[in-house]
This record gives sequence, structure tokens and C-alpha cells, in this order.
Amino acid sequence: EAGVAQSPRYKIIEKRQSVAFWCNPISGHATLYWYQQILGQGPKLLIQFQNNGVVDDSQLPKDRFSAERLKGVDSTLKIQPAKLEDSAVYLCASSLGLADTQYFGPGTRLTVL
Amino acid sequence: AQSVTQLGSHVSVSEGALVLLRCNYSSSVPPYLFWYVQYPNQGLQLLLKYTSAATLVKGINGFEAEFKKSETSFHLTKPSAHMSDAAEYFCAVTSSNAGNMLTFGGGTRLMVKP
Repeated sequence: EAGVAQSPRYKIIEKRQSVAFWCNPISGHATLYWYQQILGQGPKLLIQFQNNGVVDDSQLPKDRFSAERLKGVDSTLKIQPAKLEDSAVYLCASSLGLADTQYFGPGTRLTVL
Repeated sequence: AQSVTQLGSHVSVSEGALVLLRCNYSSSVPPYLFWYVQYPNQGLQLLLKYTSAATLVKGINGFEAEFKKSETSFHLTKPSAHMSDAAEYFCAVTSSNAGNMLTFGGGTRLMVKP
């Protein structure tokens, strides 16, 4: 079966610009996660969706980050405006349900100059 | 609150030698524990998971891990390292009351010398 798809794979922007990332989860997976992985660190959960509803977004910097999953399938994560410290790999993961194994996509590497 | 500590950000072994990557966790309720591997420019791949069944868990690529409640540990081992094992390894924890939200350790980079 197809895995979690993410695009773009790489993005370079200047600070204060906007950027958006796209994720398509494994077919049938109700739960979707966005993680931020800063170089040299483990992934940190930003937001978790169950279908099209938010389960947890306590670690999402809401003044500049937003995410949506309007039809309960694919999702977009947006940063507006970007800061230098947002340089990281943004990983999307999905699972069948809240208690199931998470499968990760290849990630989007963001560089903010 | 839950947390994970991975001792040793870099581990180097010779090909054919034992691999031991250390993970200690903190959780106020019974944990679910995971090991993921990340190859360069790729996402995370699940190696194995502990979800309160057998304490010795076998995973892919010859890896296994043992859950030790008394030591709050979940160390990852492989009897004989292969060059293809060189990668970054992450330990993660969640629990039934954490909504499947994984908390990751800082990772251990495994280097395998020929």
C-alpha cells in the first residue's frame, strides 16, 4: 500500500515569507499528525487531527502556524510569517486510529534564510 | 507528563559487534514504547513497539528491545551490527491517557565501522 506522501520535499524561503506544506495520509487512516524535527533533535508533535477535528494543538505556535484537514483526508500546515528558528524538517504521520501505530512520511526540509 | 532520555547521542561499533542503544523513560501511567529508525533524508520507520504484552520485543532487521519496569528502560539491541544499520535511532513513549501523542528522545546516531 502507498505510504504517507508529503510535498514539497525541500523549501528555501526568506524570513517573514509564508510557506505551506501538504500531506496525504495512508488511505483509511483517521488520525493525522504534524511533527517538527529541528536538526539534532527528536521530532516534536505540533498538531494531531482525528478525521477533520483537532485532538491536540497545544505545542503549535498559533501566532504563526496554522493547520487544517478540511475533508478528513489530506492536510496542510502553514507558517506565516516564517522565522529563522522555523528551519527544520516537518514530518507528517498517520495512523488508523488514536491507539494505532504511526507511519511517517519522508518529511519536508524547510530552510529559512 | 512523559519524557524519554537517550544516553549517548553518538554510538560507534564495528561491523559484527553488539549494538546497544539506551533509552530510559518517565511516565506516570503504564507506557507504550517504540523504537524508530531514520535513514538520511527519509522519514521514521518503526522498528518495534512494546504495548504491555511480552517484555522482550522483537522487531525488524534483527533488532530487539526489553522493557524493564524497575529500571524504566527500553534498551535496543542487535547481536551483530551490519553496515546498513548506520542511521539515527529514536525512542518514543506514549500512554493510554496521552491520546497516542508520541514523545521522542533526542536520538542516537549509530555509526558502523568496517
